[in-house]
Amino acid sequence: RKEVEQDPGPFNVPEGATVAFNCTYSNSASQSFFWYRQDCRKEPKLLMSVYSSGNEDGRFTAQLNRASQYISLLIRDSKLSDSATYLCVVNMDSNYQLIWGAGTKLIIKP
Amino acid sequence: DTAVSQTPKYLVTQMGNDKSIKCEQNLGHDTMYWYKQDSKKFLKIMFSYNNKELIINETVPNRFSPKSPDKAHLNLHINSLELGDSAVYFCASSPGLSNNYGYTFGSGTRLTVV
Repeated sequence: RKEVEQDPGPFNVPEGATVAFNCTYSNSASQSFFWYRQDCRKEPKLLMSVYSSGNEDGRFTAQLNRASQYISLLIRDSKLSDSATYLCVVNMDSNYQLIWGAGTKLIIKP
Repeated sequence: DTAVSQTPKYLVTQMGNDKSIKCEQNLGHDTMYWYKQDSKKFLKIMFSYNNKELIINETVPNRFSPKSPDKAHLNLHINSLELGDSAVYFCASSPGLSNNYGYTFGSGTRLTVV
């Protein structure tokens, strides 16, 4: 089992719809969780950290489910500019490394 | 002002050559990283430096040698380039070793070995 697993997609979603995707992680001792966004041929950019209580930033909501070992990202009222690859990132506390998922590709269609 | 800048942006070179990629950050961060993103889009850590000290040295061929002259700079030198080295190399920085704040990435160096 991969340490961090994501559905690669692509998710094809009409503009204005709500879309959600999950990311599972294998190490129950993981402490920090993040969602990054990567546009085509660009660098990854931090979208949001994921807190135990869940957190929201505008149209984006991130949640953590420790019991089932996954994090989720929900995007409401999707915009064309949301088209990107969303990378799930997990910190295993035993070392200083972040473990990166391969990303979920999201395509918002007009 | 670019926070993490790396040069060059594109690098096309022949097999067997030696090349360097430079990275500088003006964020005052203590920790810097080199990542490799291959054609399958996996981001893999190569090296991590904290205050010029090597912290993470993943299983990377010893043809790759990082150098950190000060905490704002982390360069990557690659000897005897091979076709399989073709990838995008990202430099990144973070405030410290604790990964609670996420990373800031440079725009990447697209290396093509022919």
